[in-house]
Amino acid sequence: AQSVTQLDSHVSVSEGTPVLLRCNYSSSYSPSLFWYVQHPNKGLQLLLKYTSAATLVKGINGFEAEFKKSETSFHLTKPSAHMSDAAEYFCVVSYTGNQFYFGTGTSLTVIP
Amino acid sequence: GAVVSQHPSRVICKSGTSVKIECRSLDFQATTMFWYRQFPKQSLMLMATSNEGSKATYEQGVEKDKFLINHASLTLSTLTVTSAHPEDSSFYICSARDYTSTDTQYFGPGTRLTVL
Repeated sequence: AQSVTQLDSHVSVSEGTPVLLRCNYSSSYSPSLFWYVQHPNKGLQLLLKYTSAATLVKGINGFEAEFKKSETSFHLTKPSAHMSDAAEYFCVVSYTGNQFYFGTGTSLTVIP
Repeated sequence: GAVVSQHPSRVICKSGTSVKIECRSLDFQATTMFWYRQFPKQSLMLMATSNEGSKATYEQGVEKDKFLINHASLTLSTLTVTSAHPEDSSFYICSARDYTSTDTQYFGPGTRLTVL
């Protein structure tokens, strides 16, 4: 079965320190992978996506993610957290373009 | 970038009434739109996939007669919650897939439905 696992339900970092949000997928196919961010009572905003091009993907707001096929991972990182980064983050995998498989989400708290 | 809007953003209705939620792709044509439901502090649950000009495909466990979906044009899909009950209260989010892209979904801002 295809699935995506976000390893941490909650991550807390201090402002200015690095952010790491972990995501692993299970698949025997080549997936498309996405990270979306959701602020309270808002829709989802696309941060970045991987679609079999460069394995290191740069997104908006200083975020980036690296696709590691050997580890079936697509972890999201940012060198320096900002207060405005506090939100819910979803890792998503897609195989056909139609069906999106969502992770359970990681809530990021940024401490001033 | 691709923008998807939803209207209304928030609605409160009485039990037994019907509520219509609109989802529009503002700057691109969307042959496929998706409707999700999100409970507090949980991930998104796909309710149905709608293709322009054809019947929606509902996920298992989603009542098609209760959640009516219409996708009459390449830029508009509607979700009507019929005979709403308090248990239908939720955050409903739509997304649209760009006609020129086979994999990326762009999400609307969501609609908060409260049924009294």
